[in-house]
Amino acid sequence: GAGVSQSPSNKVTEKGKDVELRCDPISGHTALYWYRQRLGQGLEFLIYFQGNSAPDKSGLPSDRFSAERTGESVSTLTIQRTQQEDSAVYLCASSYVDEQYFGPGTRLTVT
Amino acid sequence: AQSVAQPEDQVNVAEGNPLTVKCTYSVSGNPYLFWYVQYPNRGLQFLLKYITGDNLVKGSYGFEAEFNKSQTSFHLKKPSALVSDSALYFCAVRPYGQNFVFGPGTRLSVLP
Repeated sequence: GAGVSQSPSNKVTEKGKDVELRCDPISGHTALYWYRQRLGQGLEFLIYFQGNSAPDKSGLPSDRFSAERTGESVSTLTIQRTQQEDSAVYLCASSYVDEQYFGPGTRLTVT
Repeated sequence: AQSVAQPEDQVNVAEGNPLTVKCTYSVSGNPYLFWYVQYPNRGLQFLLKYITGDNLVKGSYGFEAEFNKSQTSFHLKKPSALVSDSALYFCAVRPYGQNFVFGPGTRLSVLP
């Protein structure tokens, strides 16, 4: 079946612009996660959606970051007024019960 | 605070030799335990998990991991390393009903 998909795969933007990243989870997966991964580094948790519960936003680094999820489907991560330090790969994952399934990521470059 | 430690940033092993990538954790309760692998320029792939039962779990690509409750460890092992195993490995735990906690990752290099 289809895995987790993310779009765009690459995004180059100018400092100060807003960007929107999209994640399509595996159908039926109730949980959805966003992570940030800087080059050669580990995963930095950003936000976690679980069903209809209030999302866990504890990992969002600043108020420039926000995310939404419509029901148990697509999610968008929005970064406002991008800064160069936002450059990273943004990974989305979904899960039903146990393990997470990761998408290929969106590579964001802020120039 | 809940945390996962991978004490080695880098592990080097010769091809054909056994490998171990270490993971210890500090979380409440009896968490689910996972290993993920990230090949260069690729997303993370699930390798194996421990939920309950036999302490030795087997996963993809010949990897296995041993759960040790008293030492709160979940070390990843493979009897004979391949050059193609070279990648970044992440240990993760999930306390029941809670979010995942990932370790910082260990870079494995298998030398020919």
